[in-house]
Amino acid sequence: VIWMTQSPSLLSASTGDRVTISCRMSQGISSYLAWYQQKPGKAPELLIYAASTLQSGVPSRFSGSGSGTDFTLTISCLQSEDFATYYCQQYYSFPRTFGQGTKVEIK
Amino acid sequence: EVQLVESGGGVVRPGGSLRLSCAASGFTFDDYGMSWVRQAPGKGLEWVSGINWNGGSTGYADSVKGRFTISRDNAKNSLYLQMNSLRAEDTALYHCAREPLGGYDLGWFDPWGQGTLVTVSS
Repeated sequence: VIWMTQSPSLLSASTGDRVTISCRMSQGISSYLAWYQQKPGKAPELLIYAASTLQSGVPSRFSGSGSGTDFTLTISCLQSEDFATYYCQQYYSFPRTFGQGTKVEIK
Repeated sequence: EVQLVESGGGVVRPGGSLRLSCAASGFTFDDYGMSWVRQAPGKGLEWVSGINWNGGSTGYADSVKGRFTISRDNAKNSLYLQMNSLRAEDTALYHCAREPLGGYDLGWFDPWGQGTLVTVSS
């Protein structure tokens, strides 16, 4: 099983801020990583796959980078609708696993 | 519009059974593998089980192997999860989710359904 460490678990930020979320793997996964956004009471939504490919319809202020064991999700200019919880997920090996989540809250 | 709608959740005693359903619409269901992913209250996400496009290949997390069975009916555009020998630790919101291709074992999930809540309690 590949273990994933997401940090920070809680991030306080203001509208307009640039924020970064980290996801570190227990072993290399090439670029087999996805990022999701989940708002309270809603299903997770895919933001990015293949570490850096933006899902259709996702605003360009979201970007992903990294390969191997270290990955980053960046929101370039935080908007009010971006306050949510974000999860990374590896699909390099079975079973697929998720990070524990990063909650982005209003500062 | 691609849509996944789960049903069948509820309160069940430890050792009991429950069958979840997921109704798919807005896409060609038998082109895609499908999975169930659960989220315990206030916790993170855990992949539970997956099935390929024709039901010929399935997989399970170790935590549910031997107790849960995934299946699909492509004629009805529906996915199912039969859950037996339920435990308190199975309490969670169960989402169905579409795989990116016809398999189930490697890929991201998009879209997800809103989920159906399963509570295992005496």
